[in-house]
Amino acid sequence: EPEVTQTPSHQVTQMGQEVILRCVPISNHLYFYWYRQILGQKVEFLVSFYNNEISEKSEIFDDQFSVERPDGSNFTLKIRSTKLEDSAMYFCASSEEGQNYGYTFGSGTRLTVV
Amino acid sequence: AQKVTQAQTEISVVEKEDVTLDCVYETRDTTYYLFWYKQPPSGELVFLIRRNSFDEQNEISGRYSWNFQKSTSSFNFTITASQVVDSAVYFCALSEWNKLIFGTGTLLAVQP
Repeated sequence: EPEVTQTPSHQVTQMGQEVILRCVPISNHLYFYWYRQILGQKVEFLVSFYNNEISEKSEIFDDQFSVERPDGSNFTLKIRSTKLEDSAMYFCASSEEGQNYGYTFGSGTRLTVV
Repeated sequence: AQKVTQAQTEISVVEKEDVTLDCVYETRDTTYYLFWYKQPPSGELVFLIRRNSFDEQNEISGRYSWNFQKSTSSFNFTITASQVVDSAVYFCALSEWNKLIFGTGTLLAVQP
C-alpha cells in the first residue's frame, strides 16, 4: 500500500537553528499538508499546499515557517529559527483530492529543540 | 466554527470488556466527513474510518463499530472484546473543506 515517507524520524536541534523536515507524499496525490502535535496534546493543522502554493495556513504557521515542493517528489517544512516551543511531532499528509478521498499521514518527525 | 469534542480524556478497561469512545462535533457545513485515527505508543497516526455526512448507516469492521447520529452530532466508536493491543490514543476528526480538525483524543488503556 502506498505510504507517505517522512525523514528524519527524530531530529534534535539547538534553539535558533534552522531545521528542514522532509516528506515524500504518495505519487499521484495533489494535496499536501503539515500538522503538528505537541507532546500529549491534539494534532493541529499547520498548512495545506496545492498546485505549488499554500492554499491555507493556520495561525501557528507564522513567518518562521515555510513550505516548499523543490522537485516532483519531496515536500518540505522549514523552520527558520527554532524555539523551544517548536518541539513537537510533525506529521506530513497527502491526499488525492482533499476530504473526498481522505488523507494519508506519514509516521511523523519528532523535533526536539534544546 | 468547526469543533470536535472528546470529553473522555482517559479510559481504563480490562481485557475483553467492550468500550465506547465518544465524539461530538460542531459544524455549519451540510457536507462534511468524520474520521477516527488511532495513535499507538509508537506515535504514528493510523487511519480507522472515514464517514460521509450523508451516510448515517452504522459500520462494523471486526471488533470495531461506529455509530453516526446526525441528530446529536455524534460519531461514537465502540471496541468489542478489547485487547491489550488496542491501548492507544484515539482521535476523532472533522473535515473542514481541505483540512482536518482533531479532537483532543481519548487515551485508552486496556489492562490484561
